[in-house]
Amino acid sequence: AQSVTQLDSQVPVFEEAPVELRCNYSSSVSVYLFWYVQYPNQGLQLLLKYLSGSTLVKGINGFEAEFNKSQTSFHLRKPSVHISDTAEYFCAVSDTGGFKTIFGAGTRLFVKA
Amino acid sequence: GAVVSQHPSRVICKSGTSVKIECRSLDFQATTMFWYRQFPKKSLMLMATSNEGSKATYEQGVEKDKFLINHASLTLSTLTVTSAHPEDSSFYICSAPDSGGNTIYFGEGSWLTVV
Repeated sequence: AQSVTQLDSQVPVFEEAPVELRCNYSSSVSVYLFWYVQYPNQGLQLLLKYLSGSTLVKGINGFEAEFNKSQTSFHLRKPSVHISDTAEYFCAVSDTGGFKTIFGAGTRLFVKA
Repeated sequence: GAVVSQHPSRVICKSGTSVKIECRSLDFQATTMFWYRQFPKKSLMLMATSNEGSKATYEQGVEKDKFLINHASLTLSTLTVTSAHPEDSSFYICSAPDSGGNTIYFGEGSWLTVV
């Protein structure tokens, strides 16, 4: 079974500052890793995913994440955030066999002017 | 465009009635689909795995008789909330892996309000 821990429930940050949203996972098997964003009253939007290959994954809206197998982490980063990045961010993990996805509790990113 | 579509996107129903939510894969066949539930300001909880041609597999704590799942075809799974109560009000979202097993697509979600 897999599990996901998002270490910060809320992250306030000023506009144009860098941000890192932390995610750790546990699994006894190989996994795929994802970051999703959810804007208020909307569905999920995929930011990026790691399936295999390069451990540094670039996604949409200037976000990137690095898969660290030894630390079982998949932290999300953005060098300069915008007000429009204010949203809920979910880290997720799935098995490589069937994409049964388990979500973390979410991190609320709040970008201040 | 969306490759997994949910309908309806929003529904209001009276307590005691049943409501059906559809999840369709538009450009591919999905032998497996997943149903999730999200309470307000909470994360997504996996409810069940929908299997085409066989019974759904429910996660621990999910009432099978209350949340009926039918995967009637390779492109359609339905979730029926039976005898709905206000506490069933939630955001329900489905997902389906693509045919090649390369990625997973989520539907737009369905907001259910039971009054």
